[in-house]
Amino acid sequence: QKEVEQDPGPLSVPEGAIVSLNCTYSNSAFQYFMWYRQYSRKGPELLMYTYSSGNKEDGRFTAQVDKSSKYISLFIRDSQPSDSATYLCAPLGPRALTFGSGTRLQVQP
Amino acid sequence: GAGVSQSPSNKVTEKGKDVELRCDPISGHTALYWYRQSLGQGLEFLIYFQGNSAPDKSGLPSDRFSAERTGGSVSTLTIQRTQQEDSAVYLCASSLAQASGANTGELFFGEGSRLTVL
Repeated sequence: QKEVEQDPGPLSVPEGAIVSLNCTYSNSAFQYFMWYRQYSRKGPELLMYTYSSGNKEDGRFTAQVDKSSKYISLFIRDSQPSDSATYLCAPLGPRALTFGSGTRLQVQP
Repeated sequence: GAGVSQSPSNKVTEKGKDVELRCDPISGHTALYWYRQSLGQGLEFLIYFQGNSAPDKSGLPSDRFSAERTGGSVSTLTIQRTQQEDSAVYLCASSLAQASGANTGELFFGEGSRLTVL
């Protein structure tokens, strides 16, 4: 079993839709949970992060962590074509980030 | 430059040849990471350098892989006797460490070196 599991998609939605991206993880020691966004043929970039359980909102993006169920979510409201990218969840371990496989999102105009 | 710089951006090699991939991190960043991303896969951790500490090599997939970081700055990832399964994008990232020495989760990635082994 991988430490971090993520549905690879692809996920295709119409512009303006609410998108839900999810990961599960197995290591209960994880405390920080990052979401990275990766455009085609580019390196990933940090989108936002959450510490421990709870929600964090940043504009149209909301990150949510439920440590009791080891479940990580990213919600995108009013999705835009520019949101089309691969989204990678990445809990922070003692040495480095452990990345999920990424979910490819396509927002159709 | 302002960001992490990697070279070459693309490398095509024949099976059995050695390759070297270079990473120039952001100035002042003490931590440097190498990850590998195969087609349709997530990022696989390879190696981590932090300041003057011994590197964490626990992610290197075989003894054909090695990396060094000279002068706390530029890093080179070397793959000896390349195999077709080594074909992937090799991503380098750097970050600032916290005052405690702990990692932060904010990594700044280069655009990667795309390796194709024929």
